[in-house]
Amino acid sequence: DVKVTQSSRYLVKRTGEKVFLECVQDMDHENMFWYRQDPGLGLRLIYFSYDVKMKEKGDIPEGYSVSREKKERFSLILESASTNQTSMYLCASTSPRDRSFYEQYFGPGTRLTVT
Amino acid sequence: DAKTTQPTSMDCAEGRAANLPCNHSTISGNEYVYWYRQIHSQGPQYIIHGLKNNETNEMASLIITEDRKSSTLILPHATLRDTAVYYCIVRPTQGGSEKLVFGKGTKLTVNP
Repeated sequence: DVKVTQSSRYLVKRTGEKVFLECVQDMDHENMFWYRQDPGLGLRLIYFSYDVKMKEKGDIPEGYSVSREKKERFSLILESASTNQTSMYLCASTSPRDRSFYEQYFGPGTRLTVT
Repeated sequence: DAKTTQPTSMDCAEGRAANLPCNHSTISGNEYVYWYRQIHSQGPQYIIHGLKNNETNEMASLIITEDRKSSTLILPHATLRDTAVYYCIVRPTQGGSEKLVFGKGTKLTVNP
């Protein structure tokens, strides 16, 4: 089974701290994604990566950066955390090798609270 | 913006069929319809997808209208564990990113 793991289920940080959220997948997937989920707003794409060292902005990249140094690992970085970044963060991965079938595999999520 | 419209919430009795509708009137000819669900405190999970034919797997059935402007996800015998938010998604294909655009989904509550 595909497994997508995230470094923490719950995280509490202070305003201004630098925050790292880690995501690891074990299926050799090329594509990895970071979403955030907020009540009433659904899932919104922050960044995605389709290869090592490649990244593209999603719909709401402001205040975030990412790093993909290895194929299996995709990190989301909050350079200076703010309270409006309190949210559930979800990582996902997939492979484009079969383009007719596109299943994204999601991790369990990290609930980040910035105080 | 999401290209689909779904009811905000629905209820279903345990053991009965749950029929979740989705409108996607602007769908293009080469776009697929995907369904995901998200159980509380978990990440979304793929259920099923289709292009224009009806599809069935071990989890659900997908009925797509002939004009492809709407579809229905059917859970034939809903259980309490099917309580979740269900997302209908039209997949962007050629020329775009490979992201999935999630709307707000339908919160399905299965009642005992």
